[in-house]
Amino acid sequence: GAGVSQSPSNKVTEKGKDVELRCDPISGHTALYWYRQRLGQGLEFLIYFQGNSAPDKSGLPSDRFSAERTGESVSTLTIQRTQQEDSAVYLCASSLNGPPLNTEAFFGQGTRLTVV
Amino acid sequence: LAKTTQPISMDSYEGQEVNITCSHNNIATNDYITWYQQFPSQGPRFIIQGYKTKVTNEVASLFIPADRKSSTLSLPRVSLSDTAVYYCLVGDVGYSGAGSYQLTFGKGTKLSVIP
Repeated sequence: GAGVSQSPSNKVTEKGKDVELRCDPISGHTALYWYRQRLGQGLEFLIYFQGNSAPDKSGLPSDRFSAERTGESVSTLTIQRTQQEDSAVYLCASSLNGPPLNTEAFFGQGTRLTVV
Repeated sequence: LAKTTQPISMDSYEGQEVNITCSHNNIATNDYITWYQQFPSQGPRFIIQGYKTKVTNEVASLFIPADRKSSTLSLPRVSLSDTAVYYCLVGDVGYSGAGSYQLTFGKGTKLSVIP
């Protein structure tokens, strides 16, 4: 596709359930990022992929969060045993090459997760 | 980490030039300065990037003084559609020794354009 695609766009889940969020990056982009944005807040880095490897997982808030990427393409962010504080918009971005920052990153529209 | 400091919010009238300054005292030699724009309910969008002096594109200008400890995003003749949050990023940050880096976003500056 022309841009970064995320699905679902909205997800409401019950506390304690697991959720999977999907990101389809721009074709050919080797770098992929996941961010979390709580209401009215800035972006919080979660994880970065270069190809299928995740050299930087430092932002994952707990062991309930995991992510994978396959085929140097699609990425899935999984949140197990969701808690209400997980409610946020989860944003995915991709860039042609990895950082440093002289590489433009393209963001998807995000998945709005609500844990009730 | 190269920390950035921006004003939390700014107001401007339509048609005025808006300048948003970002401080980054700990910028490193190889760091670039990048600005993103985020509209409500959307992901951030790249605006402009520079290393030193001045960069201009169809959307904005970026002014970087010789010491590179700050940068100023200039939006000419803003309109209501420029109401958004503007983020200043300085990289590289988060080098882990494996060739990985982060894009680190601060809190941004919320620009409100008033008719």
